[in-house]
Amino acid sequence: AQKITQTQPGMFVQEKEAVTLDCTYDTSDQSYGLFWYKQPSSGEMIFLIYQGSYDEQNATEGRYSLNFQKARKSANLVISASQLGDSAMYFCAIRSNDYKLSFGAGTTVTVRA
Amino acid sequence: DAGITQSPRHKVTETGTPVTLRCHQTENHRYMYWYRQDPGHGLRLIHYSYGVKDTDKGEVSDGYSVSRSKTEDFLLTLESATSSQTSVYFCAISPLGEQGGNEQFFGPGTRLTVL
Repeated sequence: AQKITQTQPGMFVQEKEAVTLDCTYDTSDQSYGLFWYKQPSSGEMIFLIYQGSYDEQNATEGRYSLNFQKARKSANLVISASQLGDSAMYFCAIRSNDYKLSFGAGTTVTVRA
Repeated sequence: DAGITQSPRHKVTETGTPVTLRCHQTENHRYMYWYRQDPGHGLRLIHYSYGVKDTDKGEVSDGYSVSRSKTEDFLLTLESATSSQTSVYFCAISPLGEQGGNEQFFGPGTRLTVL
């Protein structure tokens, strides 16, 4: 079974600053995938970034980067140059070998002007 | 945007009645999923499908059944709805196994209230 832990229920960040969202995971699979999703107040789930367990380089997508530390089982999301539109709930997820996704409880980010 | 629609988007029903939620995709992806989202729990997998007539259980499958008779449609049925099944239900699709496919894309969600 897979488990995702997001220890920060809520965070505040100043506009234009960077913010790091923590995610640790537990899995017995050798091959797995890690995801981050954004859920704004409107409710939709928006895919942000993906990291495969065998990918040696950290994934980046625009202002989003995934700080992948395999030995520590950590997959933190870094949002650079925060914008007001980044205020949302952020979910970390892990996909197991049988293609099921397990999600963390989420972190709420509030960007202050 | 990935072509996923869910119907209905909102539903209020009474305890003990059957309910069917529909997920429709236009992407021809093999993998489809049903999740529920409750406060404090994130999203939890109910059932998923890896092809027509091929389905498997997730972590919270009790009280739910699914069917997939066509690639584009994945139905979630609550045989006898209970108040504990009040939730927001999300469908998702994934191009797993297809070239370049790692993402999982979500539909807009269905808000179900069981009174």
